[in-house]
Amino acid sequence: DAGVTQSPTHLIKTRGQQVTLRCSPKSGHDTVSWYQQALGQGPQFIFQYYEEEERQRGNFPDRFSGHQFPNYSSELNVNALLLGDSALYLCASSERGTASEKLFFGSGTQLSVL
Amino acid sequence: GIQVEQSPPDLILQEGANSTLRCNFSDSVNNLQWFHQNPWGQLINLFYIPSGTKQNGRLSATTVATERYSLLYISSSQTTDSGVYFCAVGRSSNTGKLIFGQGTTLQVKP
Repeated sequence: DAGVTQSPTHLIKTRGQQVTLRCSPKSGHDTVSWYQQALGQGPQFIFQYYEEEERQRGNFPDRFSGHQFPNYSSELNVNALLLGDSALYLCASSERGTASEKLFFGSGTQLSVL
Repeated sequence: GIQVEQSPPDLILQEGANSTLRCNFSDSVNNLQWFHQNPWGQLINLFYIPSGTKQNGRLSATTVATERYSLLYISSSQTTDSGVYFCAVGRSSNTGKLIFGQGTTLQVKP
């Protein structure tokens, strides 16, 4: 049973560039959430996708956008990268409608913006 | 928004010792989960526990929702328990927007 998989594991970009991160949810899960974790901090919620639509959004600018595909996989896009966007980006999946919607995380993508 | 405070921020234990980690939250929640982030960055879900008590091996957790706190107990700690423990809460049982605390960093020495 494959868990949540993310790619790439590491990425280096320069200011102003655009980046796309990818996530495949755990088998049987239909909901994908993205989180940003700065060094030494707890993860912060970016947004959640279910049925190919953004359902909830955290306090992040429009430079952060996403997409969910019919097979439930998801992408996170960040435009016009800033130095402050350097962080670990975590994808999490869950199964909506179950009695206890435990969140399962991938290993993350470490993004460095130079 | 909901504030989540975890204590202590740092904890150093000798292998075999027991510990209690605390999570306080500022408003009523319908969703509370505990996670362990290992030294390689992987977040592992330990418990989904919006109320009541659960046990899983050497770990157990208790949430008293009416008093807005949750406790994570680690017994007979092992070096592999080292890492950061996060409490995360949400208003909906639908696991969407979870608000994480700052974490408790645990180091277990052999």
